[in-house]
Amino acid sequence: DARVTQTPRHKVTEMGQEVTMRCQPILGHNTVFWYRQTMMQGLELLAYFRNRAPLDDSGMPKDRFSAEMPDATLATLKIQPSEPRDSAVYFCASGLAPPGQSYNEQFFGPGTRLTVL
Amino acid sequence: EDQVTQSPEALRLQEGESSSLNCSYTVSGLRGLFWYRQDPGKGPEFLFTLYSAGEEKEKERLKATLTKKESFLHITAPKPEDSATYLCAVHQTGFQKLVFGTGTRLLVSP
Repeated sequence: DARVTQTPRHKVTEMGQEVTMRCQPILGHNTVFWYRQTMMQGLELLAYFRNRAPLDDSGMPKDRFSAEMPDATLATLKIQPSEPRDSAVYFCASGLAPPGQSYNEQFFGPGTRLTVL
Repeated sequence: EDQVTQSPEALRLQEGESSSLNCSYTVSGLRGLFWYRQDPGKGPEFLFTLYSAGEEKEKERLKATLTKKESFLHITAPKPEDSATYLCAVHQTGFQKLVFGTGTRLLVSP
């Protein structure tokens, strides 16, 4: 059955290194979201794409984070340089939003657990 | 600032013991309230969307209701497999993002 895939599932890196997380949304979905989940903050939206165009990245630290959709089958989230406070689980989600509607059911991937030492 | 508060933080039930989870919100112009279930080590799984006060939706042992200030997730005769964290999120008019609550961890014992 169709599902959102994310790679890698786990990543351990050292402070200062670049981290790239990848997401393959469900084929045919027109919205893609990146979230970060921590025990303290819960789920936070980092970036939101609609038809591959970034619509909202206000939740993302601009100096070190970047999100892109090179094509409809791939979304990436990069952190450069990474810091220990970036340690969290990063989720990608996709959905099919009808015209004029921002959100509908979102399907989440399994997440990437990032540890920055 | 959007506020979404879920209570209780954790809930322990015996199998068959019905209860309710609460999600209260303080936003103007609600466009939608979403309920998700999250199992350990997995991404959230969509359950319901509610759009207007008075609306109700059901799925198996779960029923979600919505008022102008809060939503309830009623669990009737829960089973151990209902154990999970339940998250609610709101979408406010004029804003692009969903704001999630911190969730209620539900444990149902046999």
